[in-house]
Amino acid sequence: EDKVVQSPLSLVVHEGDTVTLNCSYEVTNFRSLLWYKQEKKAPTFLFMLTSSGIEKKSGRLSSILDKKELFSILNITATQTGDSAVYLCAVRNRGSTLGRLYFGRGTQLTVWP
Amino acid sequence: GAVVSQHPSRVICKSGTSVKIECRSLDFQATTMFWYRQFPKQSLMLMATSNEGSKATYEQGVEKDKFLINHASLTLSTLTVTSAHPEDSSFYICSAIRDPATEQFFGPGTRLTVL
Repeated sequence: EDKVVQSPLSLVVHEGDTVTLNCSYEVTNFRSLLWYKQEKKAPTFLFMLTSSGIEKKSGRLSSILDKKELFSILNITATQTGDSAVYLCAVRNRGSTLGRLYFGRGTQLTVWP
Repeated sequence: GAVVSQHPSRVICKSGTSVKIECRSLDFQATTMFWYRQFPKQSLMLMATSNEGSKATYEQGVEKDKFLINHASLTLSTLTVTSAHPEDSSFYICSAIRDPATEQFFGPGTRLTVL
C-alpha cells in the first residue's frame, strides 16, 4: 500500500529558530512530491518537487527531494510566529487517476514569540 | 495561483437531512476535482475523484450512495451528504487541477456539524 510518513508529528520552537520537517514515502510509480501549508482552513501550495537534488526556495523556506532514499525535507529558517501551521507532504504517482495525491498526517509547527 | 471557492463555509444541520456543498474553480477550467474529508488533527483523506461529465471514482470505504458527487461542468462539482449523521461531522475540502502534472488548488473548506 502506498504511504507517506511525516516526522515529527509536532514541533514547538521559538522565533528565529531553524526547523527541518521530514517526509518519507513509499509510492509506486512516483511522479512528484508536494508540500502544503495548512493554517485554519484549506492547504496552500508551497513547493512541487520532481527531481532529486534540486533545491527549491521561496524566501525563508526551501525544500529538496531525494528519490533514491525516498524522502524530502522542508527547511524553514529564522522562523516567525506566522509560520505556525500544519505542514503537509503529499505524493503523486503516475497511476490511472492522474493528479491524485497521497497525503501524510502532517507536522504541526508552533512558533513561540 | 488559481482560485477555488466552496460554499457554504459552515453548515449545521439536524441528523437525517441532506447537505449540498459546492466547489467552483473561479478562474480556470478544472479537468478534475477531488473531495477530501479531514477530521481534527488528522490528514486529508481522499473521498472521491470527480471528472466532468463522468461518474466519480470513490475511494475504498466511501459510500457512493451516501456521498453523491455531481460534476456538472468544468468549473463546478457538488458533494451531497445524504441523510447526514453526527459521525459525518467533519471538514470537507475540495481541490481542482488544470493539468494532472501540476499542483492541486484547494478550496477554503466546509465545516459540517450534524446535530
